This record gives sequence, C-alpha cells and structure tokens, in this order.
Amino acid sequence: DIQMTQSPSSLSASLGDRVTITCRASHSISNWLAWYQQKPGKAPKLLIYKASTLHTGVPSRFSGSGSGTEFTLTISSLQPDDFATYYCQQYNSDLYTFGQGTKLEIK
Amino acid sequence: EVQLLESGGGLVQPGGSLRLSCAASGFTFSSYAMNWVRQAPGKGLEWVSVSFGGSGTTHYADTVKGRFTISRDNSKNTLYLQMNSLRAEDTAIYYCAKEIDTYGLGADQWGQGTLVIVSS
Repeated sequence: DIQMTQSPSSLSASLGDRVTITCRASHSISNWLAWYQQKPGKAPKLLIYKASTLHTGVPSRFSGSGSGTEFTLTISSLQPDDFATYYCQQYNSDLYTFGQGTKLEIK
Repeated sequence: EVQLLESGGGLVQPGGSLRLSCAASGFTFSSYAMNWVRQAPGKGLEWVSVSFGGSGTTHYADTVKGRFTISRDNSKNTLYLQMNSLRAEDTAIYYCAKEIDTYGLGADQWGQGTLVIVSS
C-alpha cells in the first residue's frame, strides 16, 4: 500500500503569509495527487487535482506542484477563510489513501 | 446543482450490520466514480471504498475489505455501503463523494455525512 505523509502536522501563520505544506508518498505516484481543505463540522472541498490543476472556483492563491513522491500545496497570501485542515490524497493505486492532515491555525 | 444525500447511519452493536445510502442528483450518476470516505471523531479522513463509473469496478481499503460492500443502482442514482461485522473502530462520519471523472482523480462533490456509532 502507498503511505502518504504530510508535514508539518500543524502550522501557525499570519494573514498575508506564504505557506507551504508538503506531502510525501512512500512510492512514486506520478502526478496522481489531490489536495482538499476541510473546516470543522464540514465536508472536505477539492482544491487541486493531478498535483497542480486548480479545481473550478478555487482562488488562484492556491497552487500545487510536484511529481513522483514529493508534492507541495502553497497558499501565496493567507486569507481569513484559509484557516482549516488540509489533506492530500493519492490516486495512483487502487487504494486512495489520504495523508494525516495539516492543521493551519492563526498565529 | 449536484446533491449527495447520505442516510442510514445510527447506533449499532459490535458485530452488527448497517447499510448506508447516498442519493445523488444533478449529474449523470452512472458516468462517475463514487467513493465512501469516513472520519472518526477528531481524526483525519480515511478513504473506504470506490465504485468506478461505467465498469462499476470496486476497490476497498484493507481495514474494511471482506466486511464492507459498495454497490450502486444507476437506475435509482443511489450509492450504497453494506457494512457487516462492525467494530468500534468503524465509528465515524461516513461521507459519500463524487469523483470528477469515471475513475479517481479528485472528489469534487461531497455529501453532508451520516454518523455511524458502533457501541454496546
């Protein structure tokens, strides 16, 4: 099975900061990676798929990059609505595993 | 407008069974892959199972393989999850999620979730 490891597990940042979250796969997954945002009590929302394709309606301050085993989600300038938990998910194998999540909090 | 409405959650004893349903509308249900994803209280997301559009091929997480069965009725636009031999660790909110394609690529629509509690 492919394991997905996110870092950091939690992160404190200020409005306007540039933030990067990393997701590492235990085996190469090409670019079969998605990123989600989840707020407390709500279902996740798709941000990015195929590692770098921005989903419809997602603000351009979000971007994704990477291939193989290392991927990043970058938020270029943090807005109040961005404080949430972020998950990566791989789609390379038949078992679509998630990372453990990164909680982004206000500093 | 795409809508996904889960139902069937509740309290069940260990070893018991439950069937979840997800009623879909607003898109051509048969054409899209559909997932079940769960989230235990205070924990992260765990992918459970997928049913591909078209072929209907299914896959399961190792934690539920042999106990859970995903199925779909394309005539009723409904996704199901039959859960047998339930354990305490299956306690979670179960989400139904639509993929953006026939196969897995990213889940762009999610239901509100249905809570399953496994406890004596």
